[in-house]
Amino acid sequence: EAGVVQSPRYKIIEKKQPVAFWCNPISGHNTLYWYLQNLGQGPELLIRYENEEAVDDSQLPKDRFSAERLKGVDSTLKIQPAELGDSAVYLCASSPGQGTNNEQFFGPGTRLTVL
Amino acid sequence: QKEVEQNSGPLSVPEGAIASLNCTYSDRVSQSFFWYRQYSGKSPELIMSIYSNGDKEDGRFTAQLNKASQYVSLLIRDSQPSDSATYLCAVYPPGANNLFFGTGTRLTVIP
Repeated sequence: EAGVVQSPRYKIIEKKQPVAFWCNPISGHNTLYWYLQNLGQGPELLIRYENEEAVDDSQLPKDRFSAERLKGVDSTLKIQPAELGDSAVYLCASSPGQGTNNEQFFGPGTRLTVL
Repeated sequence: QKEVEQNSGPLSVPEGAIASLNCTYSDRVSQSFFWYRQYSGKSPELIMSIYSNGDKEDGRFTAQLNKASQYVSLLIRDSQPSDSATYLCAVYPPGANNLFFGTGTRLTVIP
């Protein structure tokens, strides 16, 4: 079974530029998560989707971040404009459903560097 | 108070020893607990989940949950250099469908 796929793996941009990250979850997984991980910290949730609906985006900085999951499968996370403090690893994860017993599986992540 | 707390380490053990990693959580009624392993430069990999009080064993790994004391631990028996990584504890707080992660404990197994 293929795991969570993310691209690109690395991205270097200058501040104020836009950037987008793409995620394809494990087949059949209805729940998709975007996390941000800073060095030395655990992942922190940005947004959670149940199918195509964003059910928790309370931690997403909506002035510059946006996300979509149009057909309930792939998802895109966008930052516009990027700031120096956005440099981090952006992780996508998926789980079979919602609920507190669901195990989450992570993709390889996208390491963003903003210069 | 953070939902999940871990000692950041680093924790060093000799090869073949038992490594003990600990995690405490703030909400007594939390139900589900997970351990992830993260190698440097890689993403978190799920290694154990535990939902009930007691021990759960999987190969060299044993997860222990004590809900009365609000801690969950991970024991790694016969530690190998390949176990050197950061171990993240994660929990679903009650009423939340999102995992909250600790900051991780860095483990080094010395050959």
